[in-house]
Parts: sequence; structure tokens; C-alpha cells
Amino acid sequence: SQQGEEDPQALSIQEGENATMNCSYKTSINNLQWYRQNSGRGLVHLILIRSNEREKHSGRLRVTLDTSKKSSSLLITASRAADTASYFCASFSGSARQLTFGSGTQLTVLP
Amino acid sequence: GAGVSQSPSNKVTEKGKDVELRCDPISGHTALYWYRQSLGQGLEFLIYFQGNSAPDKSGLPSDRFSAERTGGSVSTLTIQRTQQEDSAVYLCASSYRVTGSNYGYTFGSGTRLTVV
Repeated sequence: SQQGEEDPQALSIQEGENATMNCSYKTSINNLQWYRQNSGRGLVHLILIRSNEREKHSGRLRVTLDTSKKSSSLLITASRAADTASYFCASFSGSARQLTFGSGTQLTVLP
Repeated sequence: GAGVSQSPSNKVTEKGKDVELRCDPISGHTALYWYRQSLGQGLEFLIYFQGNSAPDKSGLPSDRFSAERTGGSVSTLTIQRTQQEDSAVYLCASSYRVTGSNYGYTFGSGTRLTVV
């Protein structure tokens, strides 16, 4: 079952603006990961944050994790048209030993 | 190889026929996952393999679905007596460690299965 829920389902912004996507999960996790998908095919791993971390940066990406609220957010700063894609969060539970994906956020960055 | 390779990239089959989907993971990756994604949806877990341990088949939707991983490397997902609801993109991913280490999973480009 899909334990992750993301909001918004769709987001449309202008180039240069920041994009924020949120993710919630239900069970305790070892880590949470964010992926990007173009054109409904393979996913590309963006960033992983462990359960004992609260914030992580990678280039224009910033991820936060609040284990008390079972939520995470992905911030893309200074967005570009090339950032247009679907973004998925995926939680890894050591007990379930599988990566469980959210339903995704479709981001459109308008030039 | 440099990435996860899946074949075929596209497969159109008639309802009732069997299909085999292949995944060639990154060399040395001990964990291998199969997911499927219906149009506009998230990813649905199907099965995972971890080294020589028994696979976790808890996500397989019916007994028409089976998968094997030979020699800890190449994996084949078999769907018998395909139905139209099996139409989806089937994605394979591999990882060095089942927890995803610091690099997450590497996904293949998927096989788009269409059952007509």
C-alpha cells in the first residue's frame, strides 16, 4: 500500500520562484528519499535524509524531516523550466524493508 | 553496466498471453526491487530480493505474477495469462544496500506493458 501522501498534487510556478512540496508518511522510518521522474519512466534519486537528521542540502535542493509529525518537505530554489517533472517522496522502513512511495507532485515551471 | 537495464522497453501483448520482463541491475548491488506504475499514479511495490535471502513477495497482486533472480544478478518478472489491468510501466531498481545507503536506489527506464 502507498503510505506516503504528497501535497500539492500539482504545482505550477514561474521560473526563478521557489517550489515547496510536502510529504507525509505513516510508520517509523530509517530514512526518507526524494526522487524525480520525467515522462513517466525511470526515477532519479535526488536526496536521502536519515531519521536522525532534520535538514539536508544538495545544490538547489533543501529537504527537511520532522519525525514527530511524520512529514518531510522538499524545497527547490530558483526553479528552472528544466525542473518540470513529477517528484516523489519514498520512505524506508527497516521493519518492512521496502521503499514505499507517495503519490507524487507534478511540478510545472513556466519559462 | 553503468546503470540498471530493463528490457524490453515496450511490450504489447494480447490478453491471456504470458510475458517476461527482464532487469539487469548494477553489478555489486545486492538489493533489487520491482515496482509498477499505472498511468498518473505512484509506484506500487511488487517484490524485492536481498542477497541470498528469501524474496519478499508481499506486493505481488496475484499468483499470475512471479519473479526470480538468478545468481544474485539478473531478475525476471513473469506475468502469466495477462489481463488488461496489468497494463502499466514496470520499474526495476537496485541498491548496494537494502536501506539505500547514501545513494538511494538506481532505477531502470522501465518496461511499458500494454495488454490489448
